[in-house]
Amino acid sequence: QVQLVESGGGVVQPGRSLRLSCAASGFTFSNYGMHWVRQAPGKGLEWVGVLWYDGTNKYYADFVKGRFIISRDNSKNKLYLQVNSLRADDTAVYYCAKSRVRGVAGPIDYWGQGTLVTVSS
Amino acid sequence: DIVMTQSPDSLAVSLGERATINCKSSQNVLNSSNNKNYLAWYQQKPGQPPKLLICWASTRESGVPDRFSGSGSGTDFTLTISSLQAEDVALYYCHQYYSTPHSFGQGTKLEI
Repeated sequence: QVQLVESGGGVVQPGRSLRLSCAASGFTFSNYGMHWVRQAPGKGLEWVGVLWYDGTNKYYADFVKGRFIISRDNSKNKLYLQVNSLRADDTAVYYCAKSRVRGVAGPIDYWGQGTLVTVSS
Repeated sequence: DIVMTQSPDSLAVSLGERATINCKSSQNVLNSSNNKNYLAWYQQKPGQPPKLLICWASTRESGVPDRFSGSGSGTDFTLTISSLQAEDVALYYCHQYYSTPHSFGQGTKLEI
């Protein structure tokens, strides 16, 4: 069965950086696009970005403004999200999520349990 | 960018009654080349990640009860629960994957 397990969250001071990881199993990781979606406490879902199956194309939400970088290592079945210059409003649960297709034009069919990032001094 | 707007924000329905949630996109999400609407619906229960219920506006996922159905095309979409069960209490989100950046509706809270 498909499993997505995020790690790397925690409490971080404003302006600092974190790298979130997502370990994937139960499917051929290199065949699918992968997303990051976040959810602030008590708020709705917010799409962060997506990376094509082979890492050649990536797209981000407007609010990212160059602060976040999505990458993947298909040899390790892992997805990453580098988050830089963190702000208080980046506090959220960050979900790793699998696309049904290789690129971006498909639904998200599986989600991890999420990792909580808290930005606070 | 495509903005997704759901209505209502919250909804209380009696057990066994019909629940209807609407989702409107600011731009068309129908791909005329394949006649598919790039619209999905998710259910999220407290403390859990979202779960895909319906994709391509009306295709129910395997294992999803048939009381859940999706309809609509272009810019206006509806999620219908034909006979509400207690386990359907959750937040529901629509999602457009027609273009990047992808976007979600703000969510609809469904209660008994």
